[in-house]
Amino acid sequence: KQEVTQIPAALSVPEGENLVLNCSFTDSAIYNLQWFRQDPGKGLTSLLLIQSSQREQTSGRLNASLDKSSGRSTLYIAASQPGDSATYLCAVFTGANNLFFGTGTRLTVIP
Amino acid sequence: DGGITQSPKYLFRKEGQNVTLSCEQNLNHDAMYWYRQDPGQGLRLIYYSQIVNDFQKGDIAEGYSVSREKKESFPLTVTSAQKNPTAFYLCASRSGQGRANEQFFGPGTRLTVL
Repeated sequence: KQEVTQIPAALSVPEGENLVLNCSFTDSAIYNLQWFRQDPGKGLTSLLLIQSSQREQTSGRLNASLDKSSGRSTLYIAASQPGDSATYLCAVFTGANNLFFGTGTRLTVIP
Repeated sequence: DGGITQSPKYLFRKEGQNVTLSCEQNLNHDAMYWYRQDPGQGLRLIYYSQIVNDFQKGDIAEGYSVSREKKESFPLTVTSAQKNPTAFYLCASRSGQGRANEQFFGPGTRLTVL
């Protein structure tokens, strides 16, 4: 069964720093990988989707990469801001019925 | 505005009661999903539906039931058989099973059993 791991579980950085969040998955047979943001008590907001044939996607200060063969993805956040503080979740889609989620990285950006 | 709405935002239930959580989407998506989120755990799939009048059990369907009578609606009933229903419930939708399709989520319903 597909397992998704996110390390670290929590991360604190000073404002302005660039940072990388990691996501790994055990089965490389995926259709796509999606990064989400979740604020406390809220739903998930989709940030980026990378198709299995792609290597990276960019949106503003966010850049996500995918290395399917090694089962890894990273989310790079440039020039972090306090408003970036949230939990970041990655999920892989294997088709049909399910999105497999990691347990997330809780990011705190300190002003 | 296109999106997914869930109601209520907070729900309190006495033990032994059934409650129904609402999920509506106006994205014209075919597939809809219900997840449960507990502290320290990833999202777990309860039920999903790929088309109207059809739905399938997910990983933790026991104690839950759903219906899909309309494309835009996918209500979840938490029955008294669910032993530990206190959790955050998230509804999601996806336009299809294609590789490029994103999954979108509603704002969630927090259910507390008193």
